[in-house]
Amino acid sequence: EPEVTQTPSHQVTQMGQEVILRCVPISNHLYFYWYRQILGQKVEFLVSFYNNEISEKSEIFDDQFSVERPDGSNFTLKIRSTKLEDSAMYFCASSELTQRETQYFGPGTRLLVL
Amino acid sequence: GIQVEQSPPDLILQEGANSTLRCNFSDSVNNLQWFHQNPWGQLINLFYIPSGTKQNGRLSATTVATERYSLLYISSSQTTDSGVYFCAVGGSGNTGKLIFGQGTTLQVKP
Repeated sequence: EPEVTQTPSHQVTQMGQEVILRCVPISNHLYFYWYRQILGQKVEFLVSFYNNEISEKSEIFDDQFSVERPDGSNFTLKIRSTKLEDSAMYFCASSELTQRETQYFGPGTRLLVL
Repeated sequence: GIQVEQSPPDLILQEGANSTLRCNFSDSVNNLQWFHQNPWGQLINLFYIPSGTKQNGRLSATTVATERYSLLYISSSQTTDSGVYFCAVGGSGNTGKLIFGQGTTLQVKP
């Protein structure tokens, strides 16, 4: 069964460094999403992406964040200058034909900012 | 925005027992999903159920959209059912944003 993959599974970085989290959505899916979950808290929406454009972003998704689909398979989340409070699990998700369908989540990247 | 409330926040069961988890939401939705977060942090899709009833093995779910709630039933619980169960809803907008509840933490004891 096709699945969303994410790399790396864990990343440790120093405050102020740039990080890029990578995702490979399911191949025929058109809608892509990033969510994050701070330890012990609920999952929060960051951004949705369709047709090479951001569809919606949350207030968390400030100028330090950006997303890109650099080729036909990858979908990336960049954090330009990490802060301690960016430490979280970051999930990528995708859905097939519409934004109202099942969203399939990747296994997550656990980011720790020191 | 839409508010999502899950209850109970915590639940402890003996293996073999049945349970019902509830998700209330404050507005009409076009997407509702139930997830199980396992001990490794992975979010496992259980159901896509914006309305109606579905069953998958020992799990079933019902969403009554007009009354703005969904229920997840777990029958004959097993220790592997332990973890956090999240309900997530998508509103009437067109961006696919899912809003998650705070989750129900389930512990099944042998």
